[in-house]
Amino acid sequence: QKEVEQNSGPLSVPEGAIASLNCTYSDRGSQSFFWYRQYSGKSPELIMFIYSNGDKEDGRFTAQLNKASQYVSLLIRDSQPSDSATYLCAVRTGTASKLTFGTGTRLQVTL
Amino acid sequence: GAVVSQHPSWVICKSGTSVKIECRSLDFQATTMFWYRQFPKQSLMLMATSNEGSKATYEQGVEKDKFLINHASLTLSTLTVTSAHPEDSSFYICSGRSPPMDEQFFGPGTRLTVL
Repeated sequence: QKEVEQNSGPLSVPEGAIASLNCTYSDRGSQSFFWYRQYSGKSPELIMFIYSNGDKEDGRFTAQLNKASQYVSLLIRDSQPSDSATYLCAVRTGTASKLTFGTGTRLQVTL
Repeated sequence: GAVVSQHPSWVICKSGTSVKIECRSLDFQATTMFWYRQFPKQSLMLMATSNEGSKATYEQGVEKDKFLINHASLTLSTLTVTSAHPEDSSFYICSGRSPPMDEQFFGPGTRLTVL
């Protein structure tokens, strides 16, 4: 079992719709959860991070964390073509310095 | 978010030569820096973690004598690819973190092509 799992996609949503990206993790000791966006040929860009169960909203983005079920999700409201990218879920466990990344979900927002 | 720069943004070199990539944290002190490699259409692969003033910790399968990492200051880390070969051609990305700050910020990456 991979430590951090994401569906590779592509996930295709029409412009204006809500995109829902999911991520599951295996280590119950995980404490910090991050979502990064990576455009083709570019480096990852931090979108949001979440530590506590529940929702965290930032503009059109909402991160949701459920530690009991070991999943974290990212909702993108009013999806725009410019949101088309690969979204990487990353997890930090305990006092570990490094992040463990999922393989990413490719999102396509269609006109 | 915090800003991390990398230099050069791209480099082409001949097989057998060495290439140095610089990573700088511009507006924070990166106590810990990470070096990643990413091949086309593949996921990020962590190569090594370095703490300022200490030797880098390399991930399994990464040759420490081939990928030399120096983290001599809180704002600068370098990766030297020694005796580069075509199979080392890849996108190399650094990132920095300043504990207890939890976020990790990435540089723009360096695209290495070895002929």
